[in-house]
Amino acid sequence: QSVLTQPPSVSGAPGQRVTISCTGSSSNIGAGYGVHWYQQLPGTAPKLLIYGNSNRPSGVPDRFSGSKSGTSASLAITGLQAEDEADYYCQSYDSSLNASVFGGGTKLTVL
Amino acid sequence: QVQLQESGPGLVKPSQTLSLTCTVSGGSISSGNYYWSWIRQPAGKGLEWIGRIYTSGSTNYNPSLKSRVTISVDTSKNQFSLRLSSVTAADTAVYYCAKFGGGYFDYWGQGTLVTVSS
Repeated sequence: QSVLTQPPSVSGAPGQRVTISCTGSSSNIGAGYGVHWYQQLPGTAPKLLIYGNSNRPSGVPDRFSGSKSGTSASLAITGLQAEDEADYYCQSYDSSLNASVFGGGTKLTVL
Repeated sequence: QVQLQESGPGLVKPSQTLSLTCTVSGGSISSGNYYWSWIRQPAGKGLEWIGRIYTSGSTNYNPSLKSRVTISVDTSKNQFSLRLSSVTAADTAVYYCAKFGGGYFDYWGQGTLVTVSS
C-alpha cells in the first residue's frame, strides 16, 4: 500500500486530455511538500516530468502540466500522443516517515 | 550533464548481502547541495525509495528497510554504494541510483536487475 494513492490505469484517444490524480495526507502533500512526477517508458528508468508541483524541466513539452490543491495533486496531459503511453509516478516527502514516498503508479494507455 | 551508472552482482543468494555501486560522471559528487539516492522496483510493481546520502556522510533510510541498509560514499572515486543485508526473494528488483535535490530525483541511472535466488 503506497503512501500516495494513484489510479492504476487511465486511457485516452490521441489528441484528448487525460488527468492522473495523486492523493496524499496531512503529513506529505497536505503539509506543503512539493509533488513531483515521473514518466517511465517501458523498459527504461523513470524520467523527471514535473517538479515542484507544476514546473517542467527543460525539454518536457508543455502538453504536460501539474497542479496541487490540499492533500492532492494532478498531472494533466493534453494533445495525447502514442508516445505518451507509459507509467506515471507521483512523489513527495512524508514528514512522519522522514522519507521520500512514491505513488503506486498509473499506466496510461493511448487508445 | 550528470550521468549515473549502477554496477554489481546480478545474482545474490538468500540471506547474503546485496552490494551495488553507483558511479557518477559529468560532475563531482561533492559539488552542489545534493543527496545521492537508491530506489528499487520489483518487476511489474512501483518505485520504492531505499535511502540517500549526502557527501558529508549523513544518511536517511526508508524505515521499512533501515535495519538492513547501509549507504556509503567515496568522494575520491565519485561513487556511492548500497549494501542490503539478509536478502530474500522479496528483494529481487531493478535497483536505480539517482541524484536528489530540491525534493526530487532529477537524474537516474539506467538500473540494474538483482535477483535473489539460490
